[in-house]
Amino acid sequence: DVKVTQSSRYLVKRTGEKVFLECVQDMDHENMFWYRQDPGLGLRLIYFSYDVKMKEKGDIPEGYSVSREKKERFSLILESASTNQTSMYLCASSLGTGGPGNTIYFGEGSWLTVV
Amino acid sequence: AQSVTQLDSHVSVSEGTPVLLRCNYSSSYSPSLFWYVQHPNKGLQLLLKYTSAATLVKGINGFEAEFKKSETSFHLTKPSAHMSDAAEYFCVVSGAYDYKLSFGAGTTVTVRA
Repeated sequence: DVKVTQSSRYLVKRTGEKVFLECVQDMDHENMFWYRQDPGLGLRLIYFSYDVKMKEKGDIPEGYSVSREKKERFSLILESASTNQTSMYLCASSLGTGGPGNTIYFGEGSWLTVV
Repeated sequence: AQSVTQLDSHVSVSEGTPVLLRCNYSSSYSPSLFWYVQHPNKGLQLLLKYTSAATLVKGINGFEAEFKKSETSFHLTKPSAHMSDAAEYFCVVSGAYDYKLSFGAGTTVTVRA
């Protein structure tokens, strides 16, 4: 069965802290994604990666960076957390054929609160 | 470019009655369309997808959707709602590349006993 695992489900961090959100997929997918989900704003793409060490900015990359050193792992980094980054973060992956129609598989989400 | 509009932000139905969730899309390409469901505090789960094969697509848990190109719609239906269908539903369109997704704002479904 397809599995995208976000190891931290609930985190509380202080303003200014460096935060790492980890995501692992076991499907040998090329593409991996980080979204944030906020009430009234829906899902917004932060970054995606189409290969190891490759990354592209999404719609809202400011304040975030990512790391993909291994194919199965994609990390989201908040260099200096701020209260406006309190949100639900969703990791996802998909097969990377480059064309449309590939199913995106989501993790369970990580709830981050910045105080 | 592509976009998605979910016409209802909230739908309330009685258990055992039909469910209809409406989705209109726009796309410069032949679109791929998806419906996802999100239960509280969970990630998104794929219900079904359309990728230019049969226009009537059957998914999990008794859901189905019909692609109508002339109406640019991809409405989701289920003949008989169950309490476990209470969740948020997202219509999603894929553009020319699989990483270019547009999400609808979501429809919250409430099921009354």
